[in-house]
Amino acid sequence: SQTIHQWPATLVQPVGSPLSLECTVEGTSNPNLYWYRQAAGRGLQLLFYSVGIGQISSEVPQNLSASRPQDRQFILSSKKLLLSDSGFYLCAWSKSPRGPAEAFFGQGTRLTVV
Amino acid sequence: DQQVKQNSPSLSVQEGRISILNCDYTNSMFDYFLWYKKYPAEGPTFLISISSIKDKNEDGRFTVFLNKSAKHLSLHIVPSQPGDSAVYFCAATTSGTYKYIFGTGTRLKVLA
Repeated sequence: SQTIHQWPATLVQPVGSPLSLECTVEGTSNPNLYWYRQAAGRGLQLLFYSVGIGQISSEVPQNLSASRPQDRQFILSSKKLLLSDSGFYLCAWSKSPRGPAEAFFGQGTRLTVV
Repeated sequence: DQQVKQNSPSLSVQEGRISILNCDYTNSMFDYFLWYKKYPAEGPTFLISISSIKDKNEDGRFTVFLNKSAKHLSLHIVPSQPGDSAVYFCAATTSGTYKYIFGTGTRLKVLA
């Protein structure tokens, strides 16, 4: 069965510090990978998605970047965090079929920038 | 531009009754719709989905209805249970785009 791991679960970082959140998927190959953010009281905002190694699509211009160094690894980064980067970050994966399929989420990372 | 909208931020229902959660979308290219359930500090859990070629899909207590002409879908939970209390998100996607667009969520509270 497929599983998705996301860490850390919680993170408190000072303004201006760097960020690296990691997500890995097991039990499948060539998944589509996603980073979402849920700000306080808001919905799920798509930040980045990737359909293959090194292929990153950005949905929202911002202070963050994403990378996919391996097939089942997705990393969310920032060089200098802003207060507005606080939120609940979620990694997700979906199969890469001919048609649409469900996306499955990790447990999330609560990021607080202070 | 909010392509997927959940206009009711919250809903309270008595245990055993029906919960109806609504979702509207604006993009006519969406052809697959999903509902997720989310507890605090956890990732969303997939509940049920529906393709645009159908108007109803049922899985146990959960039924999703799709009205393409109205660009509206709804999730029915019957009977509602206290464990159903969570935030429910609807999402939509278009074949070949790989992107899932989520609504803002509806907080359901099932009262015992």
